[in-house]
Amino acid sequence: AQKVTQAQTEISVVEKEDVTLDCVYETRDTTYYLFWYKQPPSGELVFLIRRNSFDEQNEISGRYSWNFQKSTSSFNFTITASQVVDSAVYFCALSPSYNTDKLIFGTGTRLQVFP
Amino acid sequence: EPEVTQTPSHQVTQMGQEVILRCVPISNHLYFYWYRQILGQKVEFLVSFYNNEISEKSEIFDDQFSVERPDGSNFTLKIRSTKLEDSAMYFCASRVDLNTGELFFGEGSRLTVL
Repeated sequence: AQKVTQAQTEISVVEKEDVTLDCVYETRDTTYYLFWYKQPPSGELVFLIRRNSFDEQNEISGRYSWNFQKSTSSFNFTITASQVVDSAVYFCALSPSYNTDKLIFGTGTRLQVFP
Repeated sequence: EPEVTQTPSHQVTQMGQEVILRCVPISNHLYFYWYRQILGQKVEFLVSFYNNEISEKSEIFDDQFSVERPDGSNFTLKIRSTKLEDSAMYFCASRVDLNTGELFFGEGSRLTVL
């Protein structure tokens, strides 16, 4: 089965807290891509990151960081020192192989950051 | 910054009516997609389009749906006879090729079927 699971439906934090959004995926393929998208209240989908399955290095971009662990099939996303503007729904997605370019999305995690 | 644009932003239609959703992908992009998101649910792949033909489609994309690129810039999704369950946000997306990282999404077209 090819699937993305985001077990956290909703998370609420207070500004400046760190928060980690979990993503667990399933795929039969050895080569695949993982993505994170942000969907703010305005509704558009904003690309955050793509990770190739061969690249297990963690990545940091400003307050955002991603932890890819192939051994546990997880691709978790951490926001450090959260801000109110981080409030959004965050989707993890899988492009399951080189033979397809469609994305399989998780159900999303709604993050609310309170002042 | 170049972007994918979609029109209309919101359309309300009666069940059984035909609807056309329009998208203008980024000009040098070659791969085009439609996704949909039923309210409060996950985003689902509908169809991918390359070189003027469908390259892949999901089981959601049945005979009621069609896509075309009628000219060099527009990419349209047609729903022939809308059903209540077609109510959703429809996202168009494009990418320049399969090796680049980013799939650019438009802001979506909300379709409400009454």
